[in-house]
Amino acid sequence: DTGVSQDPRHKITKRGQNVTFRCDPISEHNRLYWYRQTLGQGPEFLTYFQNEAQLEKSRLLSDRFSAERPKGSFSTLEIQRTEQGDSAMYLCASRGTGPGVGYTFGSGTRLTVV
Amino acid sequence: QQPVQSPQAVILREGEDAVINCSSSKALYSVHWYRQKHGEAPVFLMILLKGGEQKGHEKISASFNEKKQQSSLYLTASQLSYSGTYFCGTAARETSGSRLTFGEGTQLTVNP
Repeated sequence: DTGVSQDPRHKITKRGQNVTFRCDPISEHNRLYWYRQTLGQGPEFLTYFQNEAQLEKSRLLSDRFSAERPKGSFSTLEIQRTEQGDSAMYLCASRGTGPGVGYTFGSGTRLTVV
Repeated sequence: QQPVQSPQAVILREGEDAVINCSSSKALYSVHWYRQKHGEAPVFLMILLKGGEQKGHEKISASFNEKKQQSSLYLTASQLSYSGTYFCGTAARETSGSRLTFGEGTQLTVNP
């Protein structure tokens, strides 16, 4: 069990550029989540995959955000035309099956839009 | 809607006890508790699935009152390692646990 890996750890980008983040979940976990966290706040839900199917997407998520999970393995989160308000920590979490199972979070990607 | 956590912050001396509360305006399917240390990812502590369920993890336990839509996290005989921000995450019935809505967190500081 190598945990949930996220890449890159830090990303600084200019406003208007596109960015893509990658998440590698725990291999046997079929559920994968993306959350966003700003300073002093709890994680905010972005989207959820079960295997390769994107089952839920936050209404707060603009159409500049898109996520994929091809073949039900790793996932990518893309933000197009970044804005300063997109600056945050982007957390990926995976979860196995079963009622008593919690999330395992990755260390996150810290995005700074300048 | 985001669950409400109280208190927002608490400072303890090593060995003291603390209670962190989490309250929701929605009917709940489950409640999760996580601890996050500065600069690190949230770490899962426990999940409560049934009304009135109480679970324990070392000296940290939690209860879930489904009727009141509330959960409480109990930290007894606190240790320095308990310092961090504690988040409750709630899953509403209609989503059947597919996603969590997190509270704003409770910052716990344990001093020697």
